[in-house]
Amino acid sequence: DIVMTQTPLSLPVTPGESASISCRSSQSLLESDGGYTSLDWYLQKPGQSPQLLIYTLSYRASGVPDRFSGSGSGTDFTLKISRVEAEDVGVYYCMQRMEFPGTFGPGTRVDL
Amino acid sequence: EVQLVQSGAEVKKPGESLKISCKASGYSFANYWIGWVRQTPGKGLEWMAIIYPGDSDTRYSPSFEGQVTISADKSTATAYLQWSRLKASDTAMYFCARPMYSGTYYSSFDIWGQGTMVTISS
Repeated sequence: DIVMTQTPLSLPVTPGESASISCRSSQSLLESDGGYTSLDWYLQKPGQSPQLLIYTLSYRASGVPDRFSGSGSGTDFTLKISRVEAEDVGVYYCMQRMEFPGTFGPGTRVDL
Repeated sequence: EVQLVQSGAEVKKPGESLKISCKASGYSFANYWIGWVRQTPGKGLEWMAIIYPGDSDTRYSPSFEGQVTISADKSTATAYLQWSRLKASDTAMYFCARPMYSGTYYSSFDIWGQGTMVTISS
């Protein structure tokens, strides 16, 4: 399986400031036949199911505010939250879907 | 509205059987893969299995092959996950999820059920 790691595992934030989460995969997630990167970000808010935030490295899912952005390449990826809001608290997961089964990172807990 | 609604929480004893469900609505159930994800405090989120209701094609994670059975009923637009002999280690939250695009499971999962908590205790 492709192993996903994340840093930090805990991230205290201040509303209005920016925050970044790093994710690393044990092998490249660049699809050779399409040139895209099979890396997604999910947010699990307290007591809720995971929700898709960013797909295919950098595309925001429907309804996701533009303060969320994804970047990176190969094996190193970053989720950035600019102007953190109180509603952004929860656990953020990166997930690779290049190989089945997809594998998730351990999660980064973001709280105020 | 596209949604997945899961069955309620379960409390079972080791050795018992269990089948939990995930009812889909708002889209063509047969044309999208649908899968199950386990969440535990120790191992986090793990993909278990996925099925294509159109022809019942299935894929299992090696970690769960032989431990669970995934199925789907097109007539009721419902996916299932079942165990024949539960173990204490099956205690977890289970989510069903559907990918963004029809016909492929190599896709981001944008629709999730609300989760079913399964507790196994003697």
